[in-house]
Amino acid sequence: GQNIDQPTEMTATEGAIVQINCTYQTSGFNGLFWYQQHAGEAPTFLSYNVLDGLEEKGRFSSFLSRSKGYSYLLLKELQMKDSASYLCAVRTDKLIFGTGTRLQVFP
Amino acid sequence: GAVVSQHPSRVICKSGTSVKIECRSLDFQATTMFWYRQFPKQSLMLMATSNEGSKATYEQGVEKDKFLINHASLTLSTLTVTSAHPEDSSFYICSARDSADYGYTFGSGTRLTVV
Repeated sequence: GQNIDQPTEMTATEGAIVQINCTYQTSGFNGLFWYQQHAGEAPTFLSYNVLDGLEEKGRFSSFLSRSKGYSYLLLKELQMKDSASYLCAVRTDKLIFGTGTRLQVFP
Repeated sequence: GAVVSQHPSRVICKSGTSVKIECRSLDFQATTMFWYRQFPKQSLMLMATSNEGSKATYEQGVEKDKFLINHASLTLSTLTVTSAHPEDSSFYICSARDSADYGYTFGSGTRLTVV
């Protein structure tokens, strides 16, 4: 089967740093995506990793270790508007989403 | 950038009726589209993969006779929920892969409520 696991919920304080983990076991791997989703809206693209290592994009960074089946999304300088769900998704011959993490940022 | 237009955005229907949801790729050709369902506070669950000109591939546990998928052209895929029941109430969202890119473009989603 395919398993892509994330913590269900996380909380953090405005201005802080938060790391959201994603572990996966899939049949095949052609890259890993991170998306942000607000309730009732479509996911929006944050990052894509296909090789091991860290990809940095402004306040957001994403890390991948293919040998460990592990990725994380790092959010720096948290803002209230970052309160949302964060979804990792593994591309095989299709795009399979993880369980999702609801992040709540407090003032 | 690539755009996928999904309609309707919201629909309320009576139990036992059928509802059709359309997804169109506006500025690229989508040979493959994916259909997802999302229940409140849950992640996106892949229902089926829609391939232009051929039958859709359904995920385990998804009833193909209930969720009819048609992908008759390179720019249009439709999902029809047949004989809808209240438990089919959910957020349905499509996604297409732009063959020129590695990325996936999502439709804006359809909130289906069956009463």
